[in-house]
Amino acid sequence: SQTIHQWPATLVQPVGSPLSLECTVEGTSNPNLYWYRQAAGRGLQLLFYSVGIGQISSEVPQNLSASRPQDRQFILSSKKLLLSDSGFYLCAWIVRGYNEQFFGPGTRLTVL
Amino acid sequence: AQSVAQPEDQVNVAEGNPLTVKCTYSVSGNPYLFWYVQYPNRGLQFLLKYITGDNLVKGSYGFEAEFNKSQTSFHLKKPSALVSDSALYFCAVRPHSGNTPLVFGKGTRLSVIA
Repeated sequence: SQTIHQWPATLVQPVGSPLSLECTVEGTSNPNLYWYRQAAGRGLQLLFYSVGIGQISSEVPQNLSASRPQDRQFILSSKKLLLSDSGFYLCAWIVRGYNEQFFGPGTRLTVL
Repeated sequence: AQSVAQPEDQVNVAEGNPLTVKCTYSVSGNPYLFWYVQYPNRGLQFLLKYITGDNLVKGSYGFEAEFNKSQTSFHLKKPSALVSDSALYFCAVRPHSGNTPLVFGKGTRLSVIA
């Protein structure tokens, strides 16, 4: 069966520090991968998605970047965090030929 | 461009009563429609989907949703609410054609009161 992992589960970082969040999918190959941010327990904002290794589409220009170094690995990064980067970050995936997205457990990021 | 509207930020219902969480959508062509549930500090869990066929879709935990093409709606329903159904519910859409990401509504918080 397919599973998706995100780490760390929680993170507290000072303003101006770098960020690296990792998402890994198991049990499937060649998935579409997505990074969302959720602020204040409400709506989801799509940040990036990827249809293959090295292929990244950015939905909202901001202080973040994404990379896909391997088929089942998706990384969200920042060189210098802002207070506004605080939120709940969710990774999701779709298997080709299927329709529903499946979500990871999320990472709670607090920037102080 | 596709969009989803969830007109209610909050829905309150007494335990045992029927519940409805509303969703309307806008998409070019035929839609794929989805409902997800989120419990505090957790990822979203898939509840049900409409792809094609019967307009009434049954999903997990006794939830169902009815696709209404003329009203462009996909309301989530349950005949008898449980306190454990209290959570944040998201409706999502994407068109049949292409490989575009899901577009989510802003979410509706459901509170079931004992």
